[in-house]
Amino acid sequence: GAVVSQHPSWVICKSGTSVKIECRSLDFQATTMFWYRQFPKQSLMLMATSNEGSKATYEQGVEKDKFLINHASLTLSTLTVTSAHPEDSSFYICSARGVNNQPQHFGDGTRLSIL
Amino acid sequence: AQSVTQPDIHITVSEGASLELRCNYSYGATPYLFWYVQSPGQGLQLLLKYFSGDTLVQGIKGFEAEFKRSQSSFNLRKPSVHWSDAAEYFCAVEDTGTASKLTFGTGTRLQVTL
Repeated sequence: GAVVSQHPSWVICKSGTSVKIECRSLDFQATTMFWYRQFPKQSLMLMATSNEGSKATYEQGVEKDKFLINHASLTLSTLTVTSAHPEDSSFYICSARGVNNQPQHFGDGTRLSIL
Repeated sequence: AQSVTQPDIHITVSEGASLELRCNYSYGATPYLFWYVQSPGQGLQLLLKYFSGDTLVQGIKGFEAEFKRSQSSFNLRKPSVHWSDAAEYFCAVEDTGTASKLTFGTGTRLQVTL
């Protein structure tokens, strides 16, 4: 149980385009979803927290207009990197959390490469 | 603010040997603590968690961790390491307030020699 699916797993695109990453909880309702960014050989950095039906809460230093987060249902959250540039290249990981103090369960991540 | 320290960046052990990965935390109240494992290019898999109760918690893949409040530690152990355990291990503490955010340590990379 507690499976989180993240799609796509890898994307390469040109500078200036927008990229959407999906995060789905397959077998539970995710009241809260989290988006992280991970640089090579480093730890995870929390970007934002989203609750279903509410606006996302962004961490300090994260541009909300650059990284658009939508949590439209209890099983789906999306992260859209708008007008992506090479410095946005990174490994993005989502996690989802259900009710009653359940731990966060993570997707397999999306490797984003901007040329 | 909460924080997590994993003092060992890289550890190498022989297959069959015992393992202990260190984790120290800073948090104002009783913490929720986690260990996750990450294989290259993959997401994180939960190994075990501590919320309350018995301070020795058992996890998957033969791992266990012990919460020691007096030392602010939550070290991960395994009595006999397998080559497939080679990965990156992250300790994390959860903000038990409404945000429920995780703060991760910097990770420990485990290498297993045959």
